[in-house]
Amino acid sequence: DTGVSQNPRHKITKRGQNVTFRCDPISEHNRLYWYRQTLGQGPEFLTYFQNEAQLEKSRLLSDRFSAERPKGSFSTLEIQRTEQGDSAMYLCASSPPIFQGLRETQYFGPGTRLLVL
Amino acid sequence: LAKTTQPISMDSYEGQEVNITCSHNNIATNDYITWYQQFPSQGPRFIIQGYKTKVTNEVASLFIPADRKSSTLSLPRVSLSDTAVYYCLVGDRDAGKSTFGDGTTLTVKP
Repeated sequence: DTGVSQNPRHKITKRGQNVTFRCDPISEHNRLYWYRQTLGQGPEFLTYFQNEAQLEKSRLLSDRFSAERPKGSFSTLEIQRTEQGDSAMYLCASSPPIFQGLRETQYFGPGTRLLVL
Repeated sequence: LAKTTQPISMDSYEGQEVNITCSHNNIATNDYITWYQQFPSQGPRFIIQGYKTKVTNEVASLFIPADRKSSTLSLPRVSLSDTAVYYCLVGDRDAGKSTFGDGTTLTVKP
């Protein structure tokens, strides 16, 4: 399977603990995105990278959240001192360079479902 | 990014054609219209994208009137497996992010 992969698929943690999620994008996709989705709502943008540069961060991304893409390949999203309100599905998506197509299409991974107790 | 408005839910029966309309009155000149499909516990999946007039692929058709203030996703002969949430997005071709609304929950009944 050459799609976007995310690990773990599920994570249960206690309030106050730190968690880290990993996303492996489709090979050669230079853009990588993180979204958060709660039940009954559409995905909310968190941040995105072009290669290793983090180009935009949402105001939703508080100082407890940090994302990295150190070599322009996989990315990690860390949540420090988790709160119950952090419980959600965390989605990763990647997209190829624009010149490979007329428009950007994002390819989503299966998500990591986080439950904070 | 232009705000979109879609019906919250729609019901249909197997074999029928389903049309889901999205309003985007503030669409900008450089904006494209993209539709995604999402099944429970999965990430969204790209369906179709267009700029104007009509676009068709093996899955759906997208109709965009001349003023581009709305668009209609057309799913021909739906089956039970088309039951999902459908999102309409509007954004620049080079947009660094996508703004999803709450989507339209389509329920296909036997």
